[in-house]
Amino acid sequence: DGGITQSPKYLFRKEGQNVTLSCEQNLNHDAMYWYRQDPGQGLRLIYYSQIVNDFQKGDIAEGYSVSREKKESFPLTVTSAQKNPTAFYLCASGMGHQETQYFGPGTRLLVL
Amino acid sequence: RKEVEQDPGPFNVPEGATVAFNCTYSNSASQSFFWYRQDCRKEPKLLMSVYSSGNEDGRFTAQLNRASQYISLLIRDSKLSDSATYLCVVTGMDSNYQLIWGAGTKLIIKP
Repeated sequence: DGGITQSPKYLFRKEGQNVTLSCEQNLNHDAMYWYRQDPGQGLRLIYYSQIVNDFQKGDIAEGYSVSREKKESFPLTVTSAQKNPTAFYLCASGMGHQETQYFGPGTRLLVL
Repeated sequence: RKEVEQDPGPFNVPEGATVAFNCTYSNSASQSFFWYRQDCRKEPKLLMSVYSSGNEDGRFTAQLNRASQYISLLIRDSKLSDSATYLCVVTGMDSNYQLIWGAGTKLIIKP
């Protein structure tokens, strides 16, 4: 089955801790994206990558980091610099800008 | 003004009724338009792309009005399973033409 997987489904972060969210796709898509969703708000773009070994900051990149070492994988690290990390994190992939994006099931990050 | 605006609702509609909602956008140069559906605590899923000529998929019809800068979604013969939040997505203003997401319109279909 082709698709996008994210893990874990729920993640708890302690103050001062870095945590990494996994995102894997087998759709052979070049572009991958990380969004954050807060209640009552639209999805906000954190980082995106159009090709392996290249990525760009989105609107709210501060406190986050990514890597794109393989086409299939685009992990997101929420660093201790992100002071308000509690949110629903969604990973998506697509064929490129302005094209349809397909989403993984998301990870809910909660702060202890 | 937000780049993409939607009425948050909720729209409470009886089963079998027709419901329509709009989404306004501020970038007159936008080229791509989509409607996504998001169920509670789930990921968004593509409902339909919106073309200049409008398009229909079963009970769902999407229209684009470039002059007034809005897109619309019409749902006919609504089903209980149509209850969800409908997200409007439009090409943004930045040079990379990233997609900009509306906050969504919540639809509740009542029996």
